[in-house]
Amino acid sequence: QVRLKESGPRLVQPSQTLSVTCTVSGFSVTSYHVSWVRQPPGKGLEWVGAIWKGGSTDYNSALKSRLSISRDTSKNQVFLKMNSLQTDDTGTYYCAKHSRELVYYFDYWGQGVMVTVSS
Amino acid sequence: DVQMTQSPYNLAASPGESVSINCKASKSISKYLAWYQQKPGKANKLLIYDGSTLQSGIPSRFSGSGSGTDFTLTIRSLEPEDFGLYYCQQHNEYPPTFGAGTKLELK
Repeated sequence: QVRLKESGPRLVQPSQTLSVTCTVSGFSVTSYHVSWVRQPPGKGLEWVGAIWKGGSTDYNSALKSRLSISRDTSKNQVFLKMNSLQTDDTGTYYCAKHSRELVYYFDYWGQGVMVTVSS
Repeated sequence: DVQMTQSPYNLAASPGESVSINCKASKSISKYLAWYQQKPGKANKLLIYDGSTLQSGIPSRFSGSGSGTDFTLTIRSLEPEDFGLYYCQQHNEYPPTFGAGTKLELK
């Protein structure tokens, strides 16, 4: 059974770094790409970035300078790090599995972790 | 980036009715559109991809149509569990982009 679960701090101070972990089961992160998507409160979804099954990464150009996505294949985990956080980075952060290679839609999602950026 | 415009923003309907949600892309995305359902406390659910292909396990009352820039999600004979938020997403080109969402509410 495919599952993704995000974990991380619920509150982060402005200018600090957000670290979120996505722990997956039911598939290997070396077999499927994983993306991060975020959603500000009451707003739509925004693709943040992806780590491809081979380990390379792609980032939303608007966030690229602040982002890092990595993984631990032995633990089947994907990590999101975003620095210099501002209040408009507040939102729910989701990890999502790509349905198959070379596609940008997602067949399984985690439930998300709500992150508030506030002092 | 491809801009996705969904309409309506809100939609009220009763169980048993049929509804349609529209999604318009700022440029042609061929057939490459996905639809998702979002409900509180649950993982987002992929309903349709490639414009009209039903994801495995999704009831046949959901259907998608369209190509190019204009797409529609239709839900026939609404069930109580269908109420929630719906998002379209283009998967034709990088980066993937989403519509702002449509809230389907109980009338």
